[in-house]
Amino acid sequence: DIVMTQSPDSLAVSLGERATINCKSSQSVLYSSNNKNYLAWYQQKPGQPPKVLIYWASTRKSGVPDRFSGSGSGTDFTLTISSLQAEDVAVYYCQQYYSTPYTFGQGTKLEIK
Amino acid sequence: EVQLVESGGGLVQPGGSLRLSCEASGFTFSSYWMHWVRQGPGKGLMWVSRIYTDGSRTDYADSVKGRFTISRDNANNTLYLQMNSLRAEDTAVYFCARGAAVGTGLDAFDIWGQGTMVTVSS
Repeated sequence: DIVMTQSPDSLAVSLGERATINCKSSQSVLYSSNNKNYLAWYQQKPGQPPKVLIYWASTRKSGVPDRFSGSGSGTDFTLTISSLQAEDVAVYYCQQYYSTPYTFGQGTKLEIK
Repeated sequence: EVQLVESGGGLVQPGGSLRLSCEASGFTFSSYWMHWVRQGPGKGLMWVSRIYTDGSRTDYADSVKGRFTISRDNANNTLYLQMNSLRAEDTAVYFCARGAAVGTGLDAFDIWGQGTMVTVSS
């Protein structure tokens, strides 16, 4: 199984500042035949289901604010929120969909400082 | 509106069974992989199972293999999860989620239901 490890577990950032969450996979999730990373980022607010923000590691889903961006390749990935807004308080998860069992990171809780 | 609505959760004793349903609307259900994901109380997300568009392929997490069965009824736009031999550690909110459209490979979960709570306890 591919193990997904996020860092940090929790993060407090001031409004308007940058937030960065890292995700490392135990093996590459880059599929060589199409050069795509099978990595997604989700946001989950209390009492709600997760919402996909980013897929293919760096493609923002339609409707997601452009302050959210994803980067990385192979085994190391980053979710960046360029200017934190109050509504961004949530738990963020990375997930690989390269091979089953699909696996999620343990989550990063993002709060306002 | 694209929507998934789960039902069937509840309280069940260890060793018991439960069948979850997920009714889809607003999209061509038969064209998508479908998944079940669960989240234990205060815990993270765990992928449970997936099923191909026509039901011909299924995959499971090791922890539920042999106990859970995923299925679908494309005529009625409904996904199911039959859960047998339930254990306390199966206690969780169970979400259904839409995966890849056939041929795209994009199996990130873009639509989620609100979830249904399953509690396994005596």
